[in-house]
Amino acid sequence: KQEVTQIPAALSVPEGENLVLNCSFTDSAIYNLQWFRQDPGKGLTSLLLIQSSQREQTSGRLNASLDKSSGRSTLYIAASQPGDSATYLCAGNTGNQFYFGTGTSLTVIP
Amino acid sequence: GAVVSQHPSWVICKSGTSVKIECRSLDFQATTMFWYRQFPKQSLMLMATSNEGSKATYEQGVEKDKFLINHASLTLSTLTVTSAHPEDSSFYICSATGQGDDEQYFGPGTRLTVT
Repeated sequence: KQEVTQIPAALSVPEGENLVLNCSFTDSAIYNLQWFRQDPGKGLTSLLLIQSSQREQTSGRLNASLDKSSGRSTLYIAASQPGDSATYLCAGNTGNQFYFGTGTSLTVIP
Repeated sequence: GAVVSQHPSWVICKSGTSVKIECRSLDFQATTMFWYRQFPKQSLMLMATSNEGSKATYEQGVEKDKFLINHASLTLSTLTVTSAHPEDSSFYICSATGQGDDEQYFGPGTRLTVT
């Protein structure tokens, strides 16, 4: 069964810093990968989708990359802001099922 | 963009009763819908995958007789928690994908509290 690990589990940074969140899969045969944001008590907001033919996606200050050979993905957040504080989840599918990571709780300190 | 709704957004029920949660795709046909459960401070756990018109595929450890899933149309899937117990209290989230679409669209979630 696919297992997804996110490192670090929690991260606290001062405002303005660039940061990297990591996601790794035990089964590297990932079809596509999504990064989500979840605010406390709320549902998921999709941030970026890397489709099967792609290796990275960018949206504003966010950049996500996927290395299928190693089963690893990174989410890069540039110039972090207090509003970026949330839990970030990666999810990949190896067919028709999506598997979620354990999440990284990010706090950006003003 | 594709929108998925859930109803109700929160529900409180007494132990032993059953609760139905609806998941609707509002502007696209959802060939596949997924149901997830999230306990506090934990990530989402996939419960089951359902394709329109066929039986749901449940993840290991999820009781199919307790969590009844029906995907009767291309825009509606329902999750019924039967004989709910306090340990079933959780945040239930559905998602949907359309045919040929790689992206998964999530509903806003339903918070279930069983007293």
